[in-house]
Amino acid sequence: AAGVIQSPRHLIKEKRETATLKCYPIPRHDTVYWYQQGPGQDPQFLISFYEKMQSDKGSIPDRFSAQQFSDYHSELNMSSLELGDSALYFCASSLAAEQYFGPGTRLTVT
Amino acid sequence: GIQVEQSPPDLILQEGANSTLRCNFSDSVNNLQWFHQNPWGQLINLFYIPSGTKQNGRLSATTVATERYSLLYISSSQTTDSGVYFCAVEGSGGGADGLTFGKGTHLIIQP
Repeated sequence: AAGVIQSPRHLIKEKRETATLKCYPIPRHDTVYWYQQGPGQDPQFLISFYEKMQSDKGSIPDRFSAQQFSDYHSELNMSSLELGDSALYFCASSLAAEQYFGPGTRLTVT
Repeated sequence: GIQVEQSPPDLILQEGANSTLRCNFSDSVNNLQWFHQNPWGQLINLFYIPSGTKQNGRLSATTVATERYSLLYISSSQTTDSGVYFCAVEGSGGGADGLTFGKGTHLIIQP
């Protein structure tokens, strides 16, 4: 069965740079979620989109923005990167309540 | 917001042992999921179980929504069961709400 696809899988950036993470949901899923998991932490919800409209907002920094496109893929844009942004970023998708998670993008900020 | 507490935080068992992991949550939920995070960081869906009981092989889960807790049972543990087990819930507020995760149970299965 098709799963959630995230790219890139690994990313290394320097402080103050920008990064763009991409998420391709499971086909026919209309809702996308983004989560951030710091080292040794539990995943924290950032933002979600339903039918290309922002649905819910969690602890997303103002330096981050996201959108969902007409083909339902989503991108998380991160600017002015800080050392504390180093984390595993998950995308999840759903059609009903159950969320299916992608493999994650590991971002390292140096 | 909704609170999620998992216990125990750490658990070390010998291969073949059984275990019970608990998740308490503070409010009514639309969604409750159990995940296994493996050493490579992947979050693997175990159960979607806002209420009732489900079984999948050596794993089973029960959620008693009226008492706001869920239990994950692992029987005949194998070393590949090692990792962190997360319980995550979505409150009943409606919309595409994100999941709130517990702090997890770190399980180590020794050969």
